[in-house]
Amino acid sequence: GAGVSQSPRYKVAKRGQDVALRCDPISGHVSLFWYQQALGQGPEFLTYFQNEAQLDKSGLPSDRFFAERPEGSVSTLKIQRTQQEDSAVYLCASSSLVPPLTNEKLFFGSGTQLSVL
Amino acid sequence: AQRVTQPEKLLSVFKGAPVELKCNYSYSGSPELFWYVQYSRQRLQLLLRHISRESIKGFTADLNKGETSFHLKKPFAQEEDSAMYYCALNTDKLIFGTGTRLQVFP
Repeated sequence: GAGVSQSPRYKVAKRGQDVALRCDPISGHVSLFWYQQALGQGPEFLTYFQNEAQLDKSGLPSDRFFAERPEGSVSTLKIQRTQQEDSAVYLCASSSLVPPLTNEKLFFGSGTQLSVL
Repeated sequence: AQRVTQPEKLLSVFKGAPVELKCNYSYSGSPELFWYVQYSRQRLQLLLRHISRESIKGFTADLNKGETSFHLKKPFAQEEDSAMYYCALNTDKLIFGTGTRLQVFP
């Protein structure tokens, strides 16, 4: 496909379960971001990859959150022992540009809506 | 602190009326600001950037450093403008406001 693809589209988890969210960026895009969007809020930065290197993980809310991009393309965001406050839409975005120009041309996926019961 | 404030959660107007979506920011450096839009059941997409000084779909936004504002304006709203609008500050990451839902009634 031509755009950023995220799966699953919806995920329901019981509190305490581990979940894995997948992002397929646009082919060849070097930069990849994860954002978290809680209900009624704007997206909030979680982490940034340049190729396979995780250059910024300052936005990850706790050590239960882990992201990887081992081959510099597909990325997975893993949340261990999910809590109700983790319920949100998780957005992935990619860019062919690198800092400081990354955000000049950023493409977002449709997101994964995570509901923790 | 780096922050973006959008004071209105909802803005409702009739078709043909002028629209102004407010955005204020807090940033110690030279700011770079964007407006993003999300139409119903579509993904978040860039609407315009202040450095481009462009008009997209009839929308414009002027950076006012004195008032630390970047309000989005359109002189005559259309029904297809109904969407969520997010103001964002560009640092090494994007800092988004909480968004304003624009409803344009026929």
